[in-house]
Amino acid sequence: GQSLEQPSEVTAVEGAIVQINCTYQTSGFYGLSWYQQHDGGAPTFLSYNALDGLEETGRFSSFLSRSDSYGYLLLQELQMKDSASYFCALQGGNYQLIWGAGTKLIIKP
Amino acid sequence: DSGVTQTPKHLITATGQRVTLRCSPRSGDLSVYWYQQSLDQGLQFLIQYYNGEERAKGNILERFSAQQFPDLHSELNLSSLELGDSALYFCASSISTGGNEQFFGPGTRLTVL
Repeated sequence: GQSLEQPSEVTAVEGAIVQINCTYQTSGFYGLSWYQQHDGGAPTFLSYNALDGLEETGRFSSFLSRSDSYGYLLLQELQMKDSASYFCALQGGNYQLIWGAGTKLIIKP
Repeated sequence: DSGVTQTPKHLITATGQRVTLRCSPRSGDLSVYWYQQSLDQGLQFLIQYYNGEERAKGNILERFSAQQFPDLHSELNLSSLELGDSALYFCASSISTGGNEQFFGPGTRLTVL
């Protein structure tokens, strides 16, 4: 089967850099997506890695290493508005997204 | 605003009842996905439709069913409701069937009393 693991909670300081890790077990997949969800809100797409390496989108970057079955989301210059839950999601062989349980990011001033 | 609309925003009902949740995808999107999110939980994929046809099924109970109409809007029917069905139900849409980038609606919060 396919499964993803993320830390349940990460705490960081405003202005700092934080990395949210996602490890997975799968026999094959197309890519890894990241979504952000604020409390009471809908998930919003952040990034997608089809290939190994780093994808950068403004203050957010996402990384994938297929050989290590590992990916991460990097958030730089943290702002209070970045406080949210972050989900990694694997695009499996049938193109469906398999979702991690989410990481709650707490930012302190 | 993602362009995906869901109605109603809130729904309160009693155990044993049946409800219908409605979703209109973004203009041009052919795929519609339904998800359930219980309190402080991750997203559970329920079902996907692509251009009117069922494409994939996830952890959807037999009491739940869905369909996608010719105008591409979709409805999720939940019947014989139980307390544990209380959750946020999200609809998402994407252009293709292999949607790694999905656009989510605001969700319907269902409370079963």
